[in-house]
Amino acid sequence: SQKIEQNSEALNIQEGKTATLTCNYTNYSPAYLQWYRQDPGRGPVFLLLIRENEKEKRKERLKVTFDTTLKQSLFHITASQPADSATYLCAPVLYNQGGKLIFGQGTELSVKP
Amino acid sequence: NAGVTQTPKFHILKIGQSMTLQCTQDMNHNYMYWYRQDPGMGLKLIYYSVGAGITDKGEVPNGYNVSRSTTEDFPLRLELAAPSQTSVYFCASSSTGGSYNEQFFGPGTRLTVL
Repeated sequence: SQKIEQNSEALNIQEGKTATLTCNYTNYSPAYLQWYRQDPGRGPVFLLLIRENEKEKRKERLKVTFDTTLKQSLFHITASQPADSATYLCAPVLYNQGGKLIFGQGTELSVKP
Repeated sequence: NAGVTQTPKFHILKIGQSMTLQCTQDMNHNYMYWYRQDPGMGLKLIYYSVGAGITDKGEVPNGYNVSRSTTEDFPLRLELAAPSQTSVYFCASSSTGGSYNEQFFGPGTRLTVL
């Protein structure tokens, strides 16, 4: 069955540094990978989507990579700010999954001033 | 646009009771979803709908029922509540079922079954 793993331990970094979060998947080959941000007590909010034929995608201070050989996506936040503190969820998606997302457990990021 | 709204925000239910969690979206999306999220876990899909009158089971449907009589509304019914149904429930919607489509989530309902 499809398995998704994200860093289970919280990531604590200093303001201004780059945060790197990992999403590993096994037993399937997703065509897309979606990343969401979730703040405490709120629903997830979509951030970025990367396709299997895209090695890298950027949006402002965010950068996502997709390595289909390693079965891994990396999510980077450069020049991190305390406002970036949240839980980040990945959802690798098959081409014909019909919207039925399967999420990793999320990684909690804390950016200290 | 209000997006996806859910009611109630919090609720405490006694074992064996039933209740309905409400979800409404005003984006005219065809696809709607119900997820549950337990502490430290990712979201798990309970049920989904591809349009009015059409629903299907997700990963964890046992103990729940849904209906979709309109495009806007997708209520989730809990029958004979059990402590294992204590969780945070999120409703979401997307314009299509394409895997490239983002999902829009509601604020969640925190349910405790005692």
